[in-house]
Amino acid sequence: AQSVTQLDSHVSVSEGTPVLLRCNYSSSYSPSLFWYVQHPNKGLQLLLKYTSAATLVKGINGFEAEFKKSETSFHLTKPSAHMSDAAEYFCVVSDRQTGANNLFFGTGTRLTVIP
Amino acid sequence: DTEVTQTPKHLVMGMTNKKSLKCEQHMGHRAMYWYKQKAKKPPELMFVYSYEKLSINESVPSRFSPECPNSSLLNLHLHALQPEDSALYLCASSQYVGAPNTIYFGEGSWLTVV
Repeated sequence: AQSVTQLDSHVSVSEGTPVLLRCNYSSSYSPSLFWYVQHPNKGLQLLLKYTSAATLVKGINGFEAEFKKSETSFHLTKPSAHMSDAAEYFCVVSDRQTGANNLFFGTGTRLTVIP
Repeated sequence: DTEVTQTPKHLVMGMTNKKSLKCEQHMGHRAMYWYKQKAKKPPELMFVYSYEKLSINESVPSRFSPECPNSSLLNLHLHALQPEDSALYLCASSQYVGAPNTIYFGEGSWLTVV
């Protein structure tokens, strides 16, 4: 069965410091993994995705994530936080078993950036 | 260009009203989705259309009625809604259904039922 665990419901960082948002997944098949960002009162924007190519994935706005199969993790990082990064972040998994019900969402991590 | 367009952005309706949410994509995607999102929660899947045919209905009440007039358009017809149906409704699309296709979301329609 597929599942996603976002280990922190809220992360707070100072502007200019690194960001780490943690995600662990469970999947019986080779998974596809995604990070989406949702700014207040907005829809979901795709940050990056892993689909069995390079394990280090670079996304938009300086974010990247590393797929670690041995640890079943897909943590999201950014070297230096910007005020505009304050948002809700969702880690998402899908695999060929999920079929048409394509995505399993984590519960989300709210990122606060302190000036 | 990965864009899914939703209208209206905001909708307030009474419990006896009939209204519709609209969604459009011009990426040539053959799968389209409706999700419902309550505050501080992840989105929940409502419906999936594949090649303009309804393939998944996640036990959604009949007061929500989806329609896919063509491969670019997706509607959600609303009738006799309840206040607890107030939420953000997100439309999404992907090239095809299933992994590893990426799902792209619209900005959403904020629905308030009074």
